[in-house]
Amino acid sequence: DAGVTQSPTHLIKTRGQQVTLRCSPKSGHDTVSWYQQALGQGPQFIFQYYEEEERQRGNFPDRFSGHQFPNYSSELNVNALLLGDSALYLCASSLSTGKRTDTQYFGPGTRLTVL
Amino acid sequence: DQQVKQNSPSLSVQEGRISILNCDYTNSMFDYFLWYKKYPAEGPTFLISISSIKDKNEDGRFTVFLNKSAKHLSLHIVPSQPGDSAVYFCAASTILNTGFQKLVFGTGTRLLVSP
Repeated sequence: DAGVTQSPTHLIKTRGQQVTLRCSPKSGHDTVSWYQQALGQGPQFIFQYYEEEERQRGNFPDRFSGHQFPNYSSELNVNALLLGDSALYLCASSLSTGKRTDTQYFGPGTRLTVL
Repeated sequence: DQQVKQNSPSLSVQEGRISILNCDYTNSMFDYFLWYKKYPAEGPTFLISISSIKDKNEDGRFTVFLNKSAKHLSLHIVPSQPGDSAVYFCAASTILNTGFQKLVFGTGTRLLVSP
């Protein structure tokens, strides 16, 4: 059973460019959350997708957008990249049952470097 | 505003001894707490959780203690093994009025278990 997968593993972009990161959830999961982990920090919540809609959003600008597809996979798009967007981007999937035990399972992340 | 704090960036322990990782939180709305373990080049892996209606939860070598009045939780690993060497993240959860479960992570503690 494949876990959460993310692509690409690493990415280097320059300021002002746009980037798209991809995530495939764990089999059977219907919810995808995206997190940004800056160096020396814990993961920070960007947004969550469920039933192809953004269900909740963290404190990130509109330059960060996402999408969820009918097969539950998801994309994270970042426009007008800034140096400060350099981070590890983590995708987490879960099954939304409304219970506290809806554990989020994380992928290995995409390391984005903005020059 | 760091609502979940892990004040010890690192901890070194000898194999076979107890490892104690600490976490403090400020938001009294948090009612579910989780610990994740992260190895290099991998995403965080769920380890153990505790609901605010309990003060202790055990799973094998791992025990989490919750002191609600002090807004403090700790993870005990007994006995510690070299394979436990990783970064440990404490996370706190609350249910928003959208029904969404929001996770807030601490900055992590790097545990090194030496043989």
